[in-house]
Amino acid sequence: GAGVSQSPSNKVTEKGKDVELRCDPISGHTALYWYRQRLGQGLEFLIYFQGNSAPDKSGLPSDRFSAERTGESVSTLTIQRTQQEDSAVYLCASSKRTGEGEQYFGPGTRLTVT
Amino acid sequence: AQKVTQAQTEISVVEKEDVTLDCVYETRDTTYYLFWYKQPPSGELVFLIRRNSFDEQNEISGRYSWNFQKSTSSFNFTITASQVVDSAVYFCALSEAKSGNTPLVFGKGTRLSVIA
Repeated sequence: GAGVSQSPSNKVTEKGKDVELRCDPISGHTALYWYRQRLGQGLEFLIYFQGNSAPDKSGLPSDRFSAERTGESVSTLTIQRTQQEDSAVYLCASSKRTGEGEQYFGPGTRLTVT
Repeated sequence: AQKVTQAQTEISVVEKEDVTLDCVYETRDTTYYLFWYKQPPSGELVFLIRRNSFDEQNEISGRYSWNFQKSTSSFNFTITASQVVDSAVYFCALSEAKSGNTPLVFGKGTRLSVIA
C-alpha cells in the first residue's frame, strides 16, 4: 500500500517569505506527526495530531510555525517569515490509533532559506 | 524529561565485521517504548524495531540483534557480518506508552560506514 507522501520534496525560498509543506499520511492512520531534522542532527518533534483531539503543539519553535490537519487526512505545516535557521528537512510520520507508537515516515521536504 | 544519547557519532567498519551501535536513554516513565530507525542516503527513515519496556528479551532478526538492559538503560543494536548496504545513519528513539501514540524522542544518530 501507499506510504506517507510529502510535497514538495525540495523547496528553496527567500528569507521572509512564507512556505507551506504538505503531508499525506497512510490511509487509516489517525495520528500524524511533524519533525524537523537539521543537517547532521537527530529529529526534533514539532507537532502531533491525533484524530479530532486538540493537537500537541509543544514542539513548535516559534509562533511563525503552525500546522493544520483536515480530519484524519492531509496536513499542512506553514512557516511564516522564514529565517535561515529554518533550513532543514521537515519529516512527516503517521501511525495507527491503536499502534504501539510505531511511526511510518515520509521522504521529507528539504527546505532551504536563502 | 526524556532523553536519548547515542555517543558514537560516526563508525567505520570493513565489510563482514560485526558492529554495535550504542543507545542510552533517560525517562521517568515506568512504561515506554524504544525504537531503532535506519536512515539510508536516500533520506527516508525505515523502522527496524520497537521494544516495550516490560519485555527485556533480546531479539534477533537476520543479521540484526538488539540487547535491551533496563538496569543500564541501554538498548544497543548489533549488526553481524556488516555489508555495504548497511551504511546509513541509525537513530535510537524513545516514546511514552500513553495509548501508544506519542511523539518520539530521538538520539542524534550514529553514522555507520561499511567499507568494501
